[in-house]
Amino acid sequence: DAKTTQPPSMDCAEGRAANLPCNHSTISGNEYVYWYRQIHSQGPQYIIHGLKNNETNEMASLIITEDRKSSTLILPHATLRDTAVYYCIVSSVSGGYQKVTFGTGTKLQVIP
Amino acid sequence: SQTIHQWPATLVQPVGSPLSLECTVEGTSNPNLYWYRQAAGRGLQLLFYSVGIGQISSEVPQNLSASRPQDRQFILSSKKLLLSDSGFYLCAWNRLAGLRLEQFFGPGTRLTVL
Repeated sequence: DAKTTQPPSMDCAEGRAANLPCNHSTISGNEYVYWYRQIHSQGPQYIIHGLKNNETNEMASLIITEDRKSSTLILPHATLRDTAVYYCIVSSVSGGYQKVTFGTGTKLQVIP
Repeated sequence: SQTIHQWPATLVQPVGSPLSLECTVEGTSNPNLYWYRQAAGRGLQLLFYSVGIGQISSEVPQNLSASRPQDRQFILSSKKLLLSDSGFYLCAWNRLAGLRLEQFFGPGTRLTVL
């Protein structure tokens, strides 16, 4: 059972910021939020992760609410190559092993 | 660096035929290994995971099985394929990097059952 809920689809104009929301209201204290994306017919690609602080890397920014019950992935300047399905997952690490389960994700369509 | 291989890349099989998909990992030892399936227009469904040789956990009841004969080899099998087994099959492994869980996916196998 996925622990996250995401809108099934979103559109974004090329060059604009894409803001992808994710709800994870049952997240526990030791669980991280991860974002992956899957371009058609490829394996998912890691984007970013965070625990409670906002994070930024070369691909995206991750904003996590103070209560950690939701987060937003931000692609600051979306390009056509960002068209993909974006998965938000939560997972904890303990005992050196953790099962990771993906939900249905958000299909982002970047429009020229 | 770590690499994950899957083969074949594509496969077309008749209903009732057997199946064997192979996944191998390079550049790491004792990885946690996973099989996922993605049906057309659907999310990733976890099928099996393994924490070590001979240790397999199944997530959903189905006519598929998995085996891990070697540390870095994970095999997905079926004795008799069903139409509903069609989909995109992904193998993955993960590791801990400090407190961060990193998961890596293979290129996938696209299976069509006719």
